[in-house]
Amino acid sequence: SAVISQKPSRDICQRGTSLTIQCQVDSQVTMMFWYRQQPGQSLTLIATANQGSEATYESGFVIDKFPISRPNLTFSTLTVSNMSPEDSSIYLCSVGESDQPQHFGDGTRLSIL
Amino acid sequence: RKEVEQDPGPFNVPEGATVAFNCTYSNSASQSFFWYRQDCRKEPKLLMSVYSSGNEDGRFTAQLNRASQYISLLIRDSKLSDSATYLCVVNSGTDKLIFGTGTRLQVFP
Repeated sequence: SAVISQKPSRDICQRGTSLTIQCQVDSQVTMMFWYRQQPGQSLTLIATANQGSEATYESGFVIDKFPISRPNLTFSTLTVSNMSPEDSSIYLCSVGESDQPQHFGDGTRLSIL
Repeated sequence: RKEVEQDPGPFNVPEGATVAFNCTYSNSASQSFFWYRQDCRKEPKLLMSVYSSGNEDGRFTAQLNRASQYISLLIRDSKLSDSATYLCVVNSGTDKLIFGTGTRLQVFP
């Protein structure tokens, strides 16, 4: 399966600031996804990152808060904007095709003070 | 009703025990089913896909009952290293996966 690298692996940020998380894949993939996993919870899909077009957001997530870029088939970024303590979470990117299983990066652990 | 429901556990079992996890899903259009394993502070990793005929991988057996919209995972001869959270995952009928909240397993010596 693809090797997926996320950066940073963790960060502690001040409220009101923004952080961009990078996801790099070692091969070209069609589908890339961004998830959030809050403490003690399961994974919630934020959006599907589409190459060459705007990301597709799930209910409860908006582009102004979580802008996503997907400039090519191996790279995507997720920005968490104007952060508040409620954004403290693990953010994960994944790749997968159609109804195949997805494979995850090792996540970005984010804490907001 | 949640789209994917699991018993959160924890299941505390001794080494060598057999343990079974169950999962139900609500979308009858779902076509793909998976079990993932997530260790504490790690990303989820695919354990196995689940096929209609049932499938086995070593000590792990997965079963799917489409009529009842029910998935199971059986772990035989539990090892200490099996301690983790097991996530039931269902394809939503599109390209999206829906994750259950996970069942925590703790195997003790």
